[in-house]
Amino acid sequence: NAGVTQTPKFRVLKTGQSMTLLCAQDMNHEYMYWYRQDPGMGLRLIHYSVGEGTTAKGEVPDGYNVSRLKKQNFLLGLESAAPSQTSVYFCASSYRGVSTNEKLFFGSGTQLSVL
Amino acid sequence: AQTVTQSQPEMSVQEAETVTLSCTYDTSENNYYLFWYKQPPSRQMILVIRQEAYKQQNATENRFSVNFQKAAKSFSLKISDSQLGDTAMYFCAFMKRNNNDMRFGAGTRLTVKP
Repeated sequence: NAGVTQTPKFRVLKTGQSMTLLCAQDMNHEYMYWYRQDPGMGLRLIHYSVGEGTTAKGEVPDGYNVSRLKKQNFLLGLESAAPSQTSVYFCASSYRGVSTNEKLFFGSGTQLSVL
Repeated sequence: AQTVTQSQPEMSVQEAETVTLSCTYDTSENNYYLFWYKQPPSRQMILVIRQEAYKQQNATENRFSVNFQKAAKSFSLKISDSQLGDTAMYFCAFMKRNNNDMRFGAGTRLTVKP
């Protein structure tokens, strides 16, 4: 049981380049989330999805797009990377929303550096 | 907007002793949830304990317990019989009921010394 898998684990981009981070979960979870973690700060929610084909904005959505074409995958895209997007990105999933006493299952993170 | 404040950037404790990590939050909501997450060097976020605001009883999970003071908007984590494996960053988090946007504090780095 792999749980939540994020690829890649590390990436270096130049300003203006684009890339996609992939999150895959094998637990049949409905809810998936993308967070970013910056030094000296806790995680901040970028976007989330409550089911296949649905997405919603979180606290810091600007500069990112997401897609949930398949239930098990949640993609985070950066169309034109900026140095301010240098961060560690975490994906998480839960069967139902966290407010229903479900716990979040986290991936191990992706370290992204934008030069 | 909800904010979560952890006023202790770093703390240390001797193995087998007890340590308390502080967390305060600001909200006008009445129904919400509070969490403590642990992030070891592996970066994996692990749920330590969870508290529903409508429950007066403090949550406990083995060596971990909380002191939830709703009026004071305080949610501290007590770790008893500290173990070397407790060394990690600890994040306090807040979430409104029926909402998916969990707000985290900046974290407290805890070191358990042998």
